[in-house]
Amino acid sequence: EVQLVESGGGLVQPGRSLRLSCAASGFTFHDYAMHWVRQAPGKGLEWVSRISWNGIKIDYADSVKGRFTISRDNAKSSLYLQMNSLRAEDTAFYYCARDTKPNSSGTSIDYWGQGTLVTVSS
Amino acid sequence: DIQMTQSPSSLSASVGDRVTITCRASQSINWDLNWYQQKPGKAPKLLIHAASTLQSGVPSRFSGSGSGTDFTLTISSLQPEDFATYYCHQSYSSLWTFGQGTKVEIK
Repeated sequence: EVQLVESGGGLVQPGRSLRLSCAASGFTFHDYAMHWVRQAPGKGLEWVSRISWNGIKIDYADSVKGRFTISRDNAKSSLYLQMNSLRAEDTAFYYCARDTKPNSSGTSIDYWGQGTLVTVSS
Repeated sequence: DIQMTQSPSSLSASVGDRVTITCRASQSINWDLNWYQQKPGKAPKLLIHAASTLQSGVPSRFSGSGSGTDFTLTISSLQPEDFATYYCHQSYSSLWTFGQGTKVEIK
C-alpha cells in the first residue's frame, strides 16, 4: 500500500524558516517524480514544486521560487521542502504527492499524503 | 503561467442528475488535463487523467473530454458520495496550475 506521511508543520513567525519532510513507503520511491501541493484553509489547490525521480529536474511555482527548496533522499525514501522567508500567505496545508507515472517528468498525481499545516503568524 | 478557469464555481444538483463542469486553459495544453475530487478534510483524489482516461477504481459515471483549451468533466448520474469539490489541473507546462474548483452541493 502506498503511503505518504508528512511532518514538520507548525506555527512559525513571518520571515522564519521551516522544513517539511515526507516519508514514502509501499512503492519504489526512486522511480517517481514527487510534488508538494498546498491548500490555504478553505481555498483551492496550489502546486508548489516538483522534483524528478533522479533529482535533476526541479521546478517551482513563481510564488515560492527563491524562497523554497525541494529535495529528496532516495536511499531514505524521503522528500523534503525547505521553506525560508515565510510569509503569512504561505499559511496552508502542505501535501506531499506522487506523480502517476514512473520515470516521467510529470503527468498527474495519484497518491497524496494527509497534509501538514503550516501557519505563518506573529 | 497557464491559467485554468473552471465554471461554474458552484452548482446545486439532485441525486440522479447529469452534471457537467467545464475547464478552460489560457493556451493550448493538448490533452494534458486532469480532474480531481476533494471532500472536506481529505486529500484530493485523481478521477481522470490525460483529459479522458478514467483512473483505476473510479466509477464509470465519471467521464472527461476535450483537448486544446476546452475540457469537460461529466457525472452521468450524480450519487450521494459525489457531493464534493472538483478541480481541473494542467500538466502541459513545467509549472503546473489548478483551476479554482467547482463545489457540487445537494439541491
